[in-house]
Amino acid sequence: DADVTQTPRNRITKTGKRIMLECSQTKGHDRMYWYRQDPGLGLRLIYYSFDVKDINKGEISDGYSVSRQAQAKFSLSLESAIPNQTALYFCATSDVAGGSASYNEQFFGPGTRLTVL
Amino acid sequence: QQPVQSPQAVILREGEDAVINCSSSKALYSVHWYRQKHGEAPVFLMILLKGGEQKGHEKISASFNEKKQQSSLYLTASQLSYSGTYFCGTDPTGSGNKLVFGAGTILRVKS
Repeated sequence: DADVTQTPRNRITKTGKRIMLECSQTKGHDRMYWYRQDPGLGLRLIYYSFDVKDINKGEISDGYSVSRQAQAKFSLSLESAIPNQTALYFCATSDVAGGSASYNEQFFGPGTRLTVL
Repeated sequence: QQPVQSPQAVILREGEDAVINCSSSKALYSVHWYRQKHGEAPVFLMILLKGGEQKGHEKISASFNEKKQQSSLYLTASQLSYSGTYFCGTDPTGSGNKLVFGAGTILRVKS
């Protein structure tokens, strides 16, 4: 089945460490997103990408970087992790139909629970 | 900028109805609704576009008042499977990409 996968599913790390979260999709979608979810705050957009050469900052990009290695792969990095980056991270994808992404649902991966000590 | 959802939480018995509201301070091109069950990823429910077009779940209805920048999700004859957290995502730019999500409404349906 077409799917969005994330690795690792859980990660515990220490302050100052570099961390990479990976996302792969088999849906053939061009658009990919990274969100973080914190209790009581909902989902907040970190970065999004239209294609390999087009990457854009979201609402809360400070402290994060991304890499779109291929249409199917979008990685999120924390160069020097800090405790307030402890959160649940979701990758999502969407297609563009009728020329507008407004029409299209986002498909979320299972999430990565990151704990920074 | 984050839309405000109300109520924050609601408990229903099977068969009862519920309305979840989403209100934004910005003009909106569209509103997107998602449901997240505990420990799972959010799942798409509905998109409501300016001009009245909708796309989404057959058994869930919603409204979008463009002038008031508000949307409501109507859950009728609720089932146990409706339990979860409901999020609205607002689109103030028309791109459909930079959605701003509300904090969520927790819905629990009891038998």
